[in-house]
Formats: sequence, structure tokens, C-alpha cells
Amino acid sequence: GAVVSQHPSRVICKSGTSVKIECRSLDFQATTMFWYRQFPKQSLMLMATSNEGSKATYEQGVEKDKFLINHASLTLSTLTVTSAHPEDSSFYICSARDSVGYGYTFGSGTRLTVV
Amino acid sequence: SQQGEEDPQALSIQEGENATMNCSYKTSINNLQWYRQNSGRGLVHLILIRSNEREKHSGRLRVTLDTSKKSSSLLITASRAADTASYFCATGGGSYIPTFGRGTSLIVHP
Repeated sequence: GAVVSQHPSRVICKSGTSVKIECRSLDFQATTMFWYRQFPKQSLMLMATSNEGSKATYEQGVEKDKFLINHASLTLSTLTVTSAHPEDSSFYICSARDSVGYGYTFGSGTRLTVV
Repeated sequence: SQQGEEDPQALSIQEGENATMNCSYKTSINNLQWYRQNSGRGLVHLILIRSNEREKHSGRLRVTLDTSKKSSSLLITASRAADTASYFCATGGGSYIPTFGRGTSLIVHP
């Protein structure tokens, strides 16, 4: 079945530094990937839609200069949290539409803690 | 903005009992999907039901869809402790980008 690998699973970084999160589709090509953010016991909020070879489409209220998304290949999308602050601490999840039906395959998520 | 809203927000049952979760949504949909999330993990796709379907089964899962009421239900029969997780519904419209509700937190006591 479709598998999406997301790394790292956990990261702790200092305020002001940048963190890159990778999302890879392992056995299928994903022309479109999605990035979500989830606060504790909350829903997943779509941050942006990542399209291979073009600029990402950001949801309203999401700072594109803060959350840099690059989708350079059909199997890899990256999210870089720039100049991270404690309020950026959250659970970030990527997903890609799989090749069967209309289900979406999700990565295992990245727990970001900014100290 | 959120589309699906799950009800109840929390559900606590004993192993062997059935668990029913409901989802309401606001706009027209092409399909509705249910996902499961274990604590601190990513989401696992459980089942998708299309707007022209009324009921769908997958193992111990039964999903119903009532488009006139804009609601869906997920029934887990003969629950197990391993079913403890959060369950989300997501609606897919023309863009098919899942839009999630807040989820139902299910606890199954052994």
C-alpha cells in the first residue's frame, strides 16, 4: 500500500533557529502533498498545499515566509520552519493523495518543540 | 475552515461494547472519510464513503452516510483496547483536500 515517510519524528530546537521536516512518498509519485498542523487535542488544520515544481498554496493566516515549503520532486516535499519560536511548537503532519481511490496517506508526524 | 464536526468529543466504553461516533458537515461533499489517530502519531485512513453510498462495511467498522442530514456515523463493533484512539471524519469536496473536525477521543477499557 501507499506509504508516506516523514522525518524527523521529534525535534527540539532553540528559538531563532530553523527546522526542516521531510515528507517522502515511498512507493508512489505524489504531485500534490499537504501540510497540516495540529495542536494538542485539536483538529488538523491545513497549512498549505504543496505542488511539485511550483509554489505552494498557503491557507489564510499561514505565513509563507515563516513556513517554507519546497516540493522539488514527485516524491519529496519539505517544510522549513524558519526562525522558530515557542509558539511554533506543534505537531506537523504531511499527507499525499494515494494512487488508489480518494484516500490520503499520512506521514507519522513531527513533534516540534521550540525552547 | 473546519467542515466535519464529530460527536461526542469523548467516549469511554468497556471492551466488547460497540462504539458509535457521529460526524456532521455543512456543505455538499463528494465523499467522506474516517481516519484514526493514535496519540502522537499520524493518521490512518479507515474508510471512505462516496456521496451516492448510504452504508459501507470494513471488518468491524460500519459507516453510514445521510446526505439529506449532512451526517455520517462510524460504528466500531466488539471494541478492543487497541481501538483506543482519536477518530476524525474528513469531507472531500471538489478539491478532495480532507478538511477535518475536532475528532472523537475513544477510550476502550480492557
